[in-house]
Amino acid sequence: AQKITQTQPGMFVQEKEAVTLDCTYDTSDQSYGLFWYKQPSSGEMIFLIYQGSYDEQNATEGRYSLNFQKARKSANLVISASQLGDSAMYFCAMSVNNQGGKLIFGQGTELSVKP
Amino acid sequence: DAGVIQSPRHEVTEMGQEVTLRCKPISGHNSLFWYRQTMMRGLELLIYFNNNVPIDDSGMPEDRFSAKMPNASFSTLKIQPSEPRDSAVYFCASSLDISYNEQFFGPGTRLTVL
Repeated sequence: AQKITQTQPGMFVQEKEAVTLDCTYDTSDQSYGLFWYKQPSSGEMIFLIYQGSYDEQNATEGRYSLNFQKARKSANLVISASQLGDSAMYFCAMSVNNQGGKLIFGQGTELSVKP
Repeated sequence: DAGVIQSPRHEVTEMGQEVTLRCKPISGHNSLFWYRQTMMRGLELLIYFNNNVPIDDSGMPEDRFSAKMPNASFSTLKIQPSEPRDSAVYFCASSLDISYNEQFFGPGTRLTVL
């Protein structure tokens, strides 16, 4: 069965520093996609970044990068130069080819950025 | 360009009442997803449609839940009768298709069943 594990319920980071949020996944499928979403206190889900299982380069989107280590089945999110507005819940998710667009989410990591 | 629209944003109802949640996906998106978020279970997929056809409803908790997509621009999630354990935030999301494209989420409907 497919599963996403986020082992950090909460994280703190100092403003302007970088932070890594951990995500490991489990699937026997060879074709899958990995996503990160941000959920601020207002509740909406904001797409941040996507990595395909066949992509050789790590995905980057502005201050967000995804550290994809396929052999270790990890897809950590790196946020560089943290800002106060980065304080939010962060969810890692996976979609598997043979299950269409179904997203399986991890339990989330609550990030707090300190001034 | 409007995002995914959900209504109502908040719903408070009494146990036993029928609840209908509504969603308008982004124009041109062929796939629509209903998720539920609770503290205990996190985010879980309830059902999703592709080209208005239900593809996977295995996440629908029980027969009290039903979902329809009569056309490409509208979907409903109905709970009848509602129970207190249905209290959650219900998200609708849409994507271009059911491949790995990003899913765009609506603002959610916060449902409270008393």
